[in-house]
Amino acid sequence: DAGVTQSPTHLIKTRGQQVTLRCSPISGHKSVSWYQQVLGQGPQFIFQYYEKEERGRGNFPDRFSARQFPNYSSELNVNALLLGDSALYLCASSLQSRSPRGTEAFFGQGTRLTVV
Amino acid sequence: GQQVMQIPQYQHVQEGEDFTTYCNSSTTLSNIQWYKQRPGGHPVFLIQLVKSGEVKKQKRLTFQFGEAKKNSSLHITATQTTDVGTYFCGRGTGNQFYFGTGTSLTVIP
Repeated sequence: DAGVTQSPTHLIKTRGQQVTLRCSPISGHKSVSWYQQVLGQGPQFIFQYYEKEERGRGNFPDRFSARQFPNYSSELNVNALLLGDSALYLCASSLQSRSPRGTEAFFGQGTRLTVV
Repeated sequence: GQQVMQIPQYQHVQEGEDFTTYCNSSTTLSNIQWYKQRPGGHPVFLIQLVKSGEVKKQKRLTFQFGEAKKNSSLHITATQTTDVGTYFCGRGTGNQFYFGTGTSLTVIP
C-alpha cells in the first residue's frame, strides 16, 4: 500500500510568486492536514480538511489556502511568497475527522520549498 | 500559547545510556501524542496517551502521561544509534494540532 505522497519533492520559487503543493492521502483516509516546518523547528499546523471541508486552521495569513477534492487528495496554495515561507511543507493523513487531535497521523515525505 | 514546551532542546548521550525528554503544558491536555523525526525525514507516529497517569511501553521506550494531564515524558533505555532523531510531543485542541518544540537526540557510538 502506498503511503502519503506529496509532490513535488523540491521547489524553488521567486519572492512574490504563487505555489501549489499536492498531497495524496493513504487509501481510505478522509482527513488531510498540512504543516509548515522551518529548519530546526517543530511542524506548525496550517490546515485540516475532512470530507472536503476545512475543519481546522492554524495561525497563518490568508495567503495560505487549501482545498480537498472528492478523492480526498489535497492542495495547499501559497500566494505572494515571502522569503520566510521557505520551509518543509508536510501533509498528514488520518482516518477520522477528529484528527489531528486524537488519531494517528501518517506523514508524507514533504515538499521542500525554497523562496529566493 | 498553544505550543507545548519540551526539555531539553538537545541531548547527546553515549550509546547504551538512557535518555528522557519531557513535555510540559500550562493547560490540561485531553491527550498527547509522540512522534519521532529522523534527520532529513518526516515525523512518524509513536504513541498516543489519553488517561491520567497512563504509562505505555514499546520495547525500550516508555511513555508516561502525568496525573494532572499537563505533562508527559518519553524515556529510552540503553540508547542505540538508531534512536537518533528529534522527538516531538503534540497536543490536539478542537480541530487543530500543535507540536512541541522537540528534543534532538544524538547518540555517540
